[in-house]
Formats: sequence, C-alpha cells, structure tokens
Amino acid sequence: EAGVTQSPTHLIKTRGQQATLRCSPISGHTSVYWYQQALGLGLQFLLWYDEGEERNRGNFPPRFSGRQFPNYSSELNVNALELEDSALYLCADRRRPGGTDTQYFGPGTRLTVL
Amino acid sequence: AQSVTQPDIHITVSEGASLELRCNYSYGATPYLFWYVQSPGQGLQLLLKYFSGDTLVQGIKGFEAEFKRSQSSFNLRKPSVHWSDAAEYFCAVGPSGSARQLTFGSGTQLTVLP
Repeated sequence: EAGVTQSPTHLIKTRGQQATLRCSPISGHTSVYWYQQALGLGLQFLLWYDEGEERNRGNFPPRFSGRQFPNYSSELNVNALELEDSALYLCADRRRPGGTDTQYFGPGTRLTVL
Repeated sequence: AQSVTQPDIHITVSEGASLELRCNYSYGATPYLFWYVQSPGQGLQLLLKYFSGDTLVQGIKGFEAEFKRSQSSFNLRKPSVHWSDAAEYFCAVGPSGSARQLTFGSGTQLTVLP
C-alpha cells in the first residue's frame, strides 16, 4: 500500500521568510494531520484538516496556517519564520485498516531556519 | 483531557537482552493506545495498537504491549533486542475507538549496545 508523501524533504530558509510544506494522503483518505517535532520538544499537534475544512488547531501562533485541497492533499504555510521554527514537520493521514482507526505518518520535511 | 507520560527519556540495553518501555496514560474512558517507532530523521512507523479486547497485543518486529487499566499503563516489550531496534519510541493515546485526536508522549530513546 502506498504511503503518505511529503515534499520537500529538506527546506532551508532565513528568518522572516515564508515556508510552504506539502503533504499527500493516500488516495481517497480525507483527513490530514500536521505535527511539529522540534529538538527536545516531542511531537506537537499543529493542525487537522478533513474534507477541506480545518477541524482543530494546536497551540501555535496564527503565522502557522494551512489548507486542504479538493484532492485532500494539504499545504502547511509558516510565515515570518523564526529560528525556533526549525524542526521536522510530520504529516499523517487517517485510515481504518481492519476497522480500527489509525494515523499513518509520512517521512517528514526537515525545515531549517538560518 | 488525555495525556501520556513516558518516564524514561533514554534507555540502553545490550543486544539480545529483553526490553520494556513504559507508558502511562490519563483518559477518562477506555483509551485507544498506540506505539510508534521513529528512526533518525524519519517519520513514525506504527508498531501496534490497542482498542479493545485482549489486553496483550502483538505488533510488528516482535514487539508486544500489555494494557493494564488498573495501572493506566501500556508498556511495550520485546524479549530479545536487535541492534536495528535502536530508535525513538512514542506512545500515544486517543479517544475511545478513534484516532482523530492523538496525544503523544515525549518519547524514549533506545540505544542498543553490541
């Protein structure tokens, strides 16, 4: 079974710039989750999209935003980048293999802010 | 609100030794519990999950976990560790029967000595 894909693999930006990260769930799956994994801070929930709508948001400032497209792929935008935004950004979709609800993760995008 | 505690930040074991990683959760009803593994710079891979029924669940790569409601625990075990098991392990909890909102523990880093 194909997995969740994310692009780019690595992204290097400077402070104040904007970053755009992309995620595609496997075909037909409508939920997309975004997490931030900064060094020493574990996995922090960022955003949840389902059926094109934002369903929930974690404790992050408004400069973290995103959207979900009609094909259910998603984009995460980070504006006015700060050094502490450097992290691995993980995307997950949600499936029900054997009837049990589960999140499956992509490989991540490593964002470095200089 | 749901929460997860992984008390051990770092564990070191010798190859061939047994392993137990601890996970304690807080959730009012029957929780939905997961263990994921993350190799350096990679996304999270699902090891196993518990949603109901038999409290001992088997996962991939020879891992198992036991749900103990009385102790609010879901510890991960492996009888004989391989060098390739060196990674970071995350426990997560979700509301009953759903993975729509997962809360992750802070992770346990496993080092395997030859």
